[in-house]
Amino acid sequence: EAGVAQSPRYKIIEKRQSVAFWCNPISGHATLYWYQQILGQGPKLLIQFQNNGVVDDSQLPKDRFSAERLKGVDSTLKIQPAKLEDSAVYLCASAPSGGRVDTQYFGPGTRLTVL
Amino acid sequence: SQKIEQNSEALNIQEGKTATLTCNYTNYSPAYLQWYRQDPGRGPVFLLLIRENEKEKRKERLKVTFDTTLKQSLFHITASQPADSATYLCALDMGYQKVTFGTGTKLQVIP
Repeated sequence: EAGVAQSPRYKIIEKRQSVAFWCNPISGHATLYWYQQILGQGPKLLIQFQNNGVVDDSQLPKDRFSAERLKGVDSTLKIQPAKLEDSAVYLCASAPSGGRVDTQYFGPGTRLTVL
Repeated sequence: SQKIEQNSEALNIQEGKTATLTCNYTNYSPAYLQWYRQDPGRGPVFLLLIRENEKEKRKERLKVTFDTTLKQSLFHITASQPADSATYLCALDMGYQKVTFGTGTKLQVIP
């Protein structure tokens, strides 16, 4: 079974530039998550999708971050414009959504450096 | 809001010994708690899940306990090996397939 795919793996941009990340979840997984992980911290949930609908985006800085999951499969996360504090690893995870308790399967992440 | 505390300092132990990692939370007890392993440059990998009505869960050399009175979970690795060196994250159920992660504890097993 193929895992969660993410691209790019690394990205370096200047502040105020834009950047986009892509995620392809495990086939058949209905739930998709985007997390931000700053060095030395645990993953922080940015947005959670159930199929192509948003379940939770309470911690997404909506003035600069946006995410979509068209057709309930792959997803993109965009930052526009980027700030220095956005430097982090952006993790995508998916889950089967077979019930309340779900194991999340993570991709390798995209390491973003904002200069 | 729920606050999760894991040992922020790295834990160094000798190969063959039992490693014990702690996860404390401050508010309501979650319905379940998960432990994940994260290696450098990789995403977290699920290890074990324990529910609020379970006191203990085992999987091979891993053991997790869950004490809702103390608001604490302990994660044990017996007969530790250098390959067990990684960061271990606990994650608490926040309802409807959403979890909140702790900051993680870095474990270093010394040969």
